[in-house]
Amino acid sequence: QQQVKQSPQSLIVQKGGISIINCAYENTAFDYFPWYQQFPGKGPALLIAIRPDVSEKKEGRFTISFNKSAKQFSLHIMDSQPGDSATYFCAASTNSGYALNFGKGTSLLVTP
Amino acid sequence: DTAVSQTPKYLVTQMGNDKSIKCEQNLGHDTMYWYKQDSKKFLKIMFSYNNKELIINETVPNRFSPKSPDKAHLNLHINSLELGDSAVYFCASRSTGRVYEQYFGPGTRLTVT
Repeated sequence: QQQVKQSPQSLIVQKGGISIINCAYENTAFDYFPWYQQFPGKGPALLIAIRPDVSEKKEGRFTISFNKSAKQFSLHIMDSQPGDSATYFCAASTNSGYALNFGKGTSLLVTP
Repeated sequence: DTAVSQTPKYLVTQMGNDKSIKCEQNLGHDTMYWYKQDSKKFLKIMFSYNNKELIINETVPNRFSPKSPDKAHLNLHINSLELGDSAVYFCASRSTGRVYEQYFGPGTRLTVT
């Protein structure tokens, strides 16, 4: 059972554009929502994370928007660059659950 | 310094063989994990250890057995390998408490022929 649903599966954005990836969850016990970035042949790397007590978190060009009532959260990549081309995963976990429940990933391609 | 390391990076073996993947973290974390990433890149938790104690054991064939000799190490043993075991296996770690961040190793690509 997929606990975190992620869309789109793939995304092509021009350099300088905004990349938006969306995720939805059902388990209201989730209280930690990270985004991971994975380049080919590498392990996932933590990009940015949010907890449900805030609606938005920004780090550089990366912003998480969180809608607790809708049980949705999204990643916005501003001024997208070719170096951002990677697979992005959203995830969710509980305090006691320890494990991350991942979305299926979004393959992002930023064209020059 | 590598935070979470895995060996080997690549592992090619035949069906029916037994193999092990090793993981070490130098972050002083209490909890370690094994995740499996399939050919469609889907990441799924397999096991979690906290202070050398197994706390998560997802629906994984019992041919897979994790072993944690100490807090810094979590190894994965796989017996009687099958074609469907081909995947990338990632080790990860995190500290307990309010810091939930998990750090992943570089992965081990297992190919069963």
